[in-house]
Amino acid sequence: DTEVTQTPKHLVMGMTNKKSLKCEQHMGHRAMYWYKQKAKKPPELMFVYSYEKLSINESVPSRFSPECPNSSLLNLHLHALQPEDSALYLCASSQDSSGTGNTIYFGEGSWLTVV
Amino acid sequence: TQLLEQSPQFLSIQEGENLTVYCNSSSVFSSLQWYRQEPGEGPVLLVTVVTGGEVKKLKRLTFQFGDARKDSSLHITAAQPGDTGLYLCQGFHAGNNRKLIWGLGTSLAVNP
Repeated sequence: DTEVTQTPKHLVMGMTNKKSLKCEQHMGHRAMYWYKQKAKKPPELMFVYSYEKLSINESVPSRFSPECPNSSLLNLHLHALQPEDSALYLCASSQDSSGTGNTIYFGEGSWLTVV
Repeated sequence: TQLLEQSPQFLSIQEGENLTVYCNSSSVFSSLQWYRQEPGEGPVLLVTVVTGGEVKKLKRLTFQFGDARKDSSLHITAAQPGDTGLYLCQGFHAGNNRKLIWGLGTSLAVNP
């Protein structure tokens, strides 16, 4: 079962709101990722968690705050976002964050619109 | 951010035609993945190639990894409207860098 589940699928939030995106996988993967994707562009890496510890932060603004409560769950807390943050946010997981042939599996994404 | 050179960027063809998408780099990859993405959905993995010269087939899709593991191609035979989507290649650099590199994507439209 290669499934990464993301909720919600769609989210509309105001610039003063606080909301969270959630991601779950039960494949026993030890690496989890957040990506941001604009239309017809490749995903841009935001964060990587490896064995529940933040290993990569690609200079993401602090209005995005990741959290990994356990090896199966990954959250992205959102606060004081800007309209330009509107995008498809993708969660992904892989067996670990290194190694040849390490395939990344993506969730269906959460469409975020900031108004 | 270093990128794979993916071409063409856009492609609009008629149903039944053949097409090839290319991903090229000057760097050697330990592995390379191809994904297909429909609007509003996450990328879905099509194939992973790891061996130079490797050829993998998935129904009407043929994937090839270059002998030197610097390039890859995706060939679709007799394209169908259901093949419409964004095709993305992603290469993995092993070693100290351990970087995942994305192509810019090929937006394919297959018209009935």
